[in-house]
Amino acid sequence: GDSVTQMEGPVTLSEEAFLTINCTYTATGYPSLFWYVQYPGEGLQLLLKATKADDKGSNKGFEATYRKETTSFHLEKGSVQVSDSAVYFCALSDRGTSYGKLTFGQGTILTVHP
Amino acid sequence: DAGITQSPRYKITETGRQVTLMCHQTWSHSYMFWYRQDLGHGLRLIYYSAAADITDKGEVPDGYVVSRSKTENFPLTLESATRSQTSVYFCASSEYWEQYFGPGTRLTVT
Repeated sequence: GDSVTQMEGPVTLSEEAFLTINCTYTATGYPSLFWYVQYPGEGLQLLLKATKADDKGSNKGFEATYRKETTSFHLEKGSVQVSDSAVYFCALSDRGTSYGKLTFGQGTILTVHP
Repeated sequence: DAGITQSPRYKITETGRQVTLMCHQTWSHSYMFWYRQDLGHGLRLIYYSAAADITDKGEVPDGYVVSRSKTENFPLTLESATRSQTSVYFCASSEYWEQYFGPGTRLTVT
């Protein structure tokens, strides 16, 4: 079945540091890929998405590129802020279903210090 | 307010008790979902619903019951709570392939 693997956390960075959170996936079809963010005490919010190979999703300074050859969707940001501290989830959507069944990675906790 | 809401936000119950978590959405989305979030497991799908009166099992349905008599509501019931059901529960809704999540219910079973 489909699966998503994220880099082990937690990740601790200083403000303005470069961020990479690795995500790889296995899927039988041609999934859409997502990054969700969960701020403390809140539900998940969609951060960015990519629906086909070589697409780049971007939002709030975060970027991720759908790499079919390496089955990866790594999240990057050039300069993190304290307000980026959150849990980040990589997910894929099975477009073979009518509702896009989501499979999540285990989540990566990011803490950014001033 | 428009959106997806869950109640209660926090709940403590005892082993063996029945407890119902509520989920309400105002978008009239066809699909609704229940997930549980546990450390090291990410989010796992419990049940989902394609429309009123249509529900199906997800990855971890044992010990849970759902119903959907109205499009906007999708309650999740733990018929006899166990300690292993201590978790954070998220409801979500979608019309196509983007899911929108509620704020979650933190459930503790003692």
